[in-house]
This record gives sequence, structure tokens and C-alpha cells, in this order.
Amino acid sequence: QVQLVQSGAEVKKPGASVKVSCKASGYTFTGYYMHWVRQAPGQGLEWMGWINPASGGTIYAEKFQGRVSMTRDTSFRTAYMELSRLRSDDTAVYFCARGIAVSVIFDSWGQGTLVTVSS
Amino acid sequence: DIQMTQSPATLSAFVGDRVTITCRASQSIGSWLAWYQQKPGKAPNLLISKASSLQSGVPSRFSGSGSGTEFTLTISSLQPDDFATYYCQQYNSYSTFGQGTKVEIK
Repeated sequence: QVQLVQSGAEVKKPGASVKVSCKASGYTFTGYYMHWVRQAPGQGLEWMGWINPASGGTIYAEKFQGRVSMTRDTSFRTAYMELSRLRSDDTAVYFCARGIAVSVIFDSWGQGTLVTVSS
Repeated sequence: DIQMTQSPATLSAFVGDRVTITCRASQSIGSWLAWYQQKPGKAPNLLISKASSLQSGVPSRFSGSGSGTEFTLTISSLQPDDFATYYCQQYNSYSTFGQGTKVEIK
């Protein structure tokens, strides 16, 4: 079955960077786009962007352009999301999610990674 | 950016009630709308895509309708497992989610 397993919780200081990993299993890693979605505490969902694992091509939501980088390592079937210049309002649970075909809807999700930004 | 507005923000209902959640888009998105259910501490789960297509394994008491700018999610007979937060999502132009509707036990 499809599984997305994310790295563990992180605590970072303002201005630092964080890199979250998402290891995929149970399907052809290069056959589906991988998306990243975040959720601040008690808040709604916010799409951050996607990576095409086959080509490495990316699309980022305008809000995150210049601060986010999505990469992948096909040998390890793992996608990564790095967010830089962290602020306190970046405190959130970050999810990876597998896209359905080339659409921006998601049929499988990681368990989430809590990133806390605090001085 | 396309804005998505859900109503109500919170809904209190009894088991067995018929429940309707509304989602409005700031511009036409055709039928490119999905609905997710999220329980506390868990990732969201896709219920419906393309406004009305039920995902495999989702109970038939869930249904979706609408097109253009106005959409609804209906639960025909609320079950104990349905108490959760529901999000709509447009995917006509990248992706935007509504702010969520929490369905609580009355």
C-alpha cells in the first residue's frame, strides 16, 4: 500500500532553515507529483507547491517563492522540502501529499512534521 | 489568487441529521473542487473530487454538488465517525483551501 513517512519534529530559531523529508513506498515514486501542504496550529490548510519526481521540476505557491526549495532523491524514493528565513508564523505541521495524476488533489498523505519556530 | 469561503465555520448536529456545508469560490472554477475530512492530529482524507465524484471507499452518505462558484457537501445521515473538520479545495488554478467547517456533536 502507498505510504509516505516523514521526518521528525523540528525546533528552529527565527532566521534559520528547516528541511523536511518524505519517504515514499508502495508505488512508483517517479509516477506521481509530490506536494507539500502546511497547517498552522488550529488553522486551515495551505498548499506550498509541488515537485515532479521524474524530472525534478517544481512549482511553488507565490507566497513561498524565494524561501522554499523542493527536491528529491529518486534513489532513496524521498522528497524534501526546505524552508528558509523562518519566522514565528511558519510554525506549523508540514505534510507531504501524493498528487492524483497531474492535478493538485491528494490521495495519500504523510503523517505530518511539526516545525516550531521560536527564539 | 482564488479565494474559497466555507460556511458555516462550525456546525452542531445530532447523529442521524442531514448536514450541508457550503463552499464559494471568488471566481468560477468549473467543477475543479475537492472535499476532504480531517480528524484531530491526522492528515486530511480525500472524500470527493471534481465536485461530485466520490472516492473509492467513501460511504455513500457523502455527496457533493455544484459548479462554477457555489458548491455543497452533504452528509445524508450523520454518523459518529463523521464528526470532524471538512475542507473544500479548488484546483482550477493551483490550489486553495477553504478555512474549514468543524462538525460537532449536539
